[in-house]
Amino acid sequence: EAQVTQNPRYLITVTGKKLTVTCSQNMNHEYMSWYRQDPGLGLRQIYYSMNVEVTDKGDVPEGYKVSRKEKRNFPLILESPSPNQTSLYFCASSYNRGRNEQFFGPGTRLTVL
Amino acid sequence: DQQVKQNSPSLSVQEGRISILNCDYTNSMFDYFLWYKKYPAEGPTFLISISSIKDKNEDGRFTVFLNKSAKHLSLHIVPSQPGDSAVYFCAASGYSTLTFGKGTMLLVSP
Repeated sequence: EAQVTQNPRYLITVTGKKLTVTCSQNMNHEYMSWYRQDPGLGLRQIYYSMNVEVTDKGDVPEGYKVSRKEKRNFPLILESPSPNQTSLYFCASSYNRGRNEQFFGPGTRLTVL
Repeated sequence: DQQVKQNSPSLSVQEGRISILNCDYTNSMFDYFLWYKKYPAEGPTFLISISSIKDKNEDGRFTVFLNKSAKHLSLHIVPSQPGDSAVYFCAASGYSTLTFGKGTMLLVSP
C-alpha cells in the first residue's frame, strides 16, 4: 500500500530535549516536505527536499533541521524544542516539486512543556 | 503576508445543495492550484487541481474554477453529501513550494 508514515504519532516532551520525528514514504517520490498546522494559521511549510541531499527552507524553518540521506526518509529534527513548537506536524511526498498532488502522512501531535 | 487566503472559516450547506468554497491568492508566480480535504485526526488528502493555463477542471462532483485576472479560484461540490463535511484547504504552487490557505470547515447537514 502506497503510504507516508510518521513516528511517533504523539509526543510530549520538555523544553530543550532534542527530538526527531521520522518520515518515510514507499512511493519512490523525489519531493518530500514537512508542514506544521496551527489553529487559525492553516498549514505552513517548514522544510522541503527535492531529492537526496537537497533540502531547502520553507516558510517557517526556524528551530528545525532536516536531512535527506535516502530517498524514502526525511526526518525532522528539533535540536532544542520550545513551547512555541507545540503543533501538529505533517510529512508529505510527491513525484516532483510542489506540482503534483502531495501524499500526506497521518500527522504527529507534539507538545513541548 | 498571507499569499493564499480563504476568507470563510466555515460554511454550512444542506445535503443535495451546492457547496462553493473560495480562495484568493496574491502571488502572480503561482501557476498550479490544488484543493485538499482534511478529516480530523488524518492527514490532508488531495481532491482536485488546476493548472494556470486552464479555467476549469472537473472530477465527478467536484469542479474547480480559476479566474487568473482576479487571482481567485473556487471549488464547487454538487451535490453536497454529509461525508463531504471536512476542512478544505486551498493550495498554490510555485517552483518548489506549496503554500496553503488557512482552510474552510464545510458542514453538510442531512
